[in-house]
Amino acid sequence: DTEVTQTPKHLVMGMTNKKSLKCEQHMGHRAMYWYKQKAKKPPELMFVYSYEKLSINESVPSRFSPECPNSSLLNLHLHALQPEDSALYLCASTGTSDNEQFFGPGTRLTVL
Amino acid sequence: RKEVEQDPGPFNVPEGATVAFNCTYSNSASQSFFWYRQDCRKEPKLLMSVYSSGNEDGRFTAQLNRASQYISLLIRDSKLSDSATYLCVVNGGTGGFKTIFGAGTRLFVKA
Repeated sequence: DTEVTQTPKHLVMGMTNKKSLKCEQHMGHRAMYWYKQKAKKPPELMFVYSYEKLSINESVPSRFSPECPNSSLLNLHLHALQPEDSALYLCASTGTSDNEQFFGPGTRLTVL
Repeated sequence: RKEVEQDPGPFNVPEGATVAFNCTYSNSASQSFFWYRQDCRKEPKLLMSVYSSGNEDGRFTAQLNRASQYISLLIRDSKLSDSATYLCVVNGGTGGFKTIFGAGTRLFVKA
C-alpha cells in the first residue's frame, strides 16, 4: 500500500467554524507533513512530525493546530480561519529524511 | 537568494521537442534531490530522484552537479501528456526532514 489518503476532499467553512482535516498512511513512514498550496505556487511547508513528535513548525498561525495521534495518522485542526487561508492542503509522508515524499490528493479548503 | 531556484517558465514546446529544466540550490549540506511533476489541481508526484552519477528513466534524464549546486531535468521526444508543472525539490540537509520546493516550471507541449 503506497497510498496517502486525505479526508475530506473538499471543505467549505465559515470564519467561526471549527473543522479538522485528516491524513492517513500505512507505509510505516515515520515522518508526516502538512503543506499549504495556493494556485500557481509550489507547496509551502507548514508542519513536520517525525516519530509522532512535532519537529518543524514553519511559523504557522495558531488557528492551525496539528495533531499526530499515532504513526499512521495526522490531523490538522482549523479554527477561526480567514478567507486568505483558502487553499489546497496537502499531506505527505516519507520513510527517512533522504527519501522521496508521497503526497495525498489534498483537501481543497474554502473559507467564507 | 531563494533556497531553491528554478527556470521561471512557462516553456511552450512542440511535440517531439527536447526540453531542459534547470534548478540551483543554496544549501551545500543538502543530500537528497528530486523532480516532481504536478498536474493541474492534483498532488505532486515523484518523477525521479536525482543522483550524482546521473540517472535516466525512458525519455527523462536527471543530473546533479554538487560542486555547482545545480540540478537538471531533460525530457526528450516531448508528449502532450508531459504538459504539467515540474518541481525541483531539495531536502534541507543536516539529517532533518525539512523539504524545500522550487517555484516550479510550467511546461506546455503542443501538437
